Amino acid sequence: AQSVTQLDSHVSVSEGTPVLLRCNYSSSYSPSLFWYVQHPNKGLQLLLKYTSAATLVKGINGFEAEFKKSETSFHLTKPSAHMSDAAEYFCVVKVNDMRFGAGTRLTVKP
Amino acid sequence: ETGVTQTPRHLVMGMTNKKSLKCEQHLGHNAMYWYKQSAKKPLELMFVYSLEERVENNSVPSRFSPECPNSSHLFLHLHTLQPEDSALYLCASSQGARIEYNEQFFGPGTRLTVL
Repeated sequence: AQSVTQLDSHVSVSEGTPVLLRCNYSSSYSPSLFWYVQHPNKGLQLLLKYTSAATLVKGINGFEAEFKKSETSFHLTKPSAHMSDAAEYFCVVKVNDMRFGAGTRLTVKP
Repeated sequence: ETGVTQTPRHLVMGMTNKKSLKCEQHLGHNAMYWYKQSAKKPLELMFVYSLEERVENNSVPSRFSPECPNSSHLFLHLHTLQPEDSALYLCASSQGARIEYNEQFFGPGTRLTVL
């Protein structure tokens, strides 16, 4: 069985400062890992995915995530936050089926 | 229209009503999905259809009944729902049902309230 934990339900950063959204997973087998973003009143949009290729994955809008097997982590980062990054972010692990994290709400202050 | 559309965007229904949610994708995809997003709970995959056949049904109560008449349309028929079924229902589509290889595109969702 697999599971995913997003360590922070809410993260607040100032515009122009780095973003770190944390995700830990548990899986008996090599998982596929994803980050999705959901803006208010919108569906989810795929930011990036890891499927056993390069451990550092670059996604859209300047986001990237690093798969660290030893730490069972897949944290999402961005060097400089923009106001438009304010949204809900979901980490997802898939082995047999997809398991979504509970989400992290990112607030960006001017 | 482009992408994935869902109607209605908002629905309020009583526990004895019967209603249907509709999803349409204009992307030429062959796999479609229903998800449930409840407040303060992780997103839950409900059903997966690939080439119009149901390939996944994650222990969803029978009061939810999906229908996929063709690869572009997906319905979720609702009857005798409970207040705890109130949630945002999201539809998604992809080219192929292998999620790790095929990006899912999501609709904006239907906000359902059961009184």
